[in-house]
Amino acid sequence: NAGVTQTPKFQVLKTGQSMTLQCAQDMNHEYMSWYRQDPGMGLRLIHYSVGAGITDQGEVPNGYNVSRSTTEDFPLRLLSAAPSQTSVYFCASSFRGSETEAFFGQGTRLTVV
Amino acid sequence: AQKVTQAQTEISVVEKEDVTLDCVYETRDTTYYLFWYKQPPSGELVFLIRRNSFDEQNEISGRYSWNFQKSTSSFNFTITASQVVDSAVYFCALTETSYDKVIFGPGTSLSVIP
Repeated sequence: NAGVTQTPKFQVLKTGQSMTLQCAQDMNHEYMSWYRQDPGMGLRLIHYSVGAGITDQGEVPNGYNVSRSTTEDFPLRLLSAAPSQTSVYFCASSFRGSETEAFFGQGTRLTVV
Repeated sequence: AQKVTQAQTEISVVEKEDVTLDCVYETRDTTYYLFWYKQPPSGELVFLIRRNSFDEQNEISGRYSWNFQKSTSSFNFTITASQVVDSAVYFCALTETSYDKVIFGPGTSLSVIP
């Protein structure tokens, strides 16, 4: 079982560049979410989706876009990268919603210079 | 509003000592879920336990135990006879059924010294 797959694992961007972090799960989970992890701040929710075609904002959505065209995929787009977006990004999925355990991808370490 | 506090930023213990990681939460809902996750040095996040607000029974799983007390809004995690492999960052998290978002605490970094 692949579980939750994130790509890439590492990325360096220049300020102003755009990119998409990919996330795919093969567990037929309804709920998917993106977090960023910064030292001393835990994981902060960026965007989440309760099913295909439905997305909503989390705690720190500014500068990021998401879409959910299929159950399996939930890409995160950085529109114009800024140094403040340097972080480790985690994608997660869960079966029935936020009240069930989350399965996390391996993370993407993003550096914006 | 949801909030999760983990007041202990870093803890160091000597192997075989017991250690308790504190988690205090705030919520307006009567129905909510609490979680603990472990993040070892390798970086992945691993689910440990889920507890709903109607189940205050304490749980034990091997060397791990959890103490859920609604009266103090706490969901503490104890590791008995700690081992080096327990060294990790531990996160407590909360979700409310009326508010479909998971809120994580800042995490507690546990170092178990051999």
